[in-house]
Amino acid sequence: ETGVTQSPTHLIKTRGQQVTLRCSSQSGHNTVSWYQQALGQGPQFIFQYYREEENGRGNFPPRFSGLQFPNYSSELNVNALELDDSALYLCASSPGGSDEQFFGPGTRLTVL
Amino acid sequence: QKEVEQNSGPLSVPEGAIASLNCTYSDRGSQSFFWYRQYSGKSPELIMFIYSNGDKEDGRFTAQLNKASQYVSLLIRDSQPSDSATYLCAVPGMNYGGSQGNLIFGKGTKLSVKP
Repeated sequence: ETGVTQSPTHLIKTRGQQVTLRCSSQSGHNTVSWYQQALGQGPQFIFQYYREEENGRGNFPPRFSGLQFPNYSSELNVNALELDDSALYLCASSPGGSDEQFFGPGTRLTVL
Repeated sequence: QKEVEQNSGPLSVPEGAIASLNCTYSDRGSQSFFWYRQYSGKSPELIMFIYSNGDKEDGRFTAQLNKASQYVSLLIRDSQPSDSATYLCAVPGMNYGGSQGNLIFGKGTKLSVKP
């Protein structure tokens, strides 16, 4: 059974640029959630995708957007990058009917 | 707004001792509780979950839940230097109908186990 994978591992961007982060969910998991984790903080919920639709959103602006594909993989897009967007971005997948979420290795984004 | 509170630590214990990590939560209706371990520079790893009042044991780990006091704890027996990590407590947030909701995390407690 393959776990959750994310790409890229690290990314450096400058203010104003756009970035796309990718996630492949664990086999059999149909729900993908994205979190942002700043240094010294717990993960903060960005949004969740279920059956290819956004199915819940945290307190993040519209420049954070995403997609889910038929194979349940997902993308997180961030436009107009700001310095405060520098963080570890985590993707978590869940099997149907379970509260448990399993995290991928994360993408470390640095905005200069 | 649901909240989860944890003492940020660091909590330092000697090797072989019992480490006790604590978490309080704001929503009395919370039904499930999760403990994640996060090594420095890595992603969170689910180590325990508990739904019912009382204790749940898994190897050296014991989760304790007291819903009346809105308190959940994680005990690590025979602590090892490899247990040194940040421990995150989480509860489910919104249920979005048809899927599981998000998780709301505390800031985590940093544990250091000294040889």
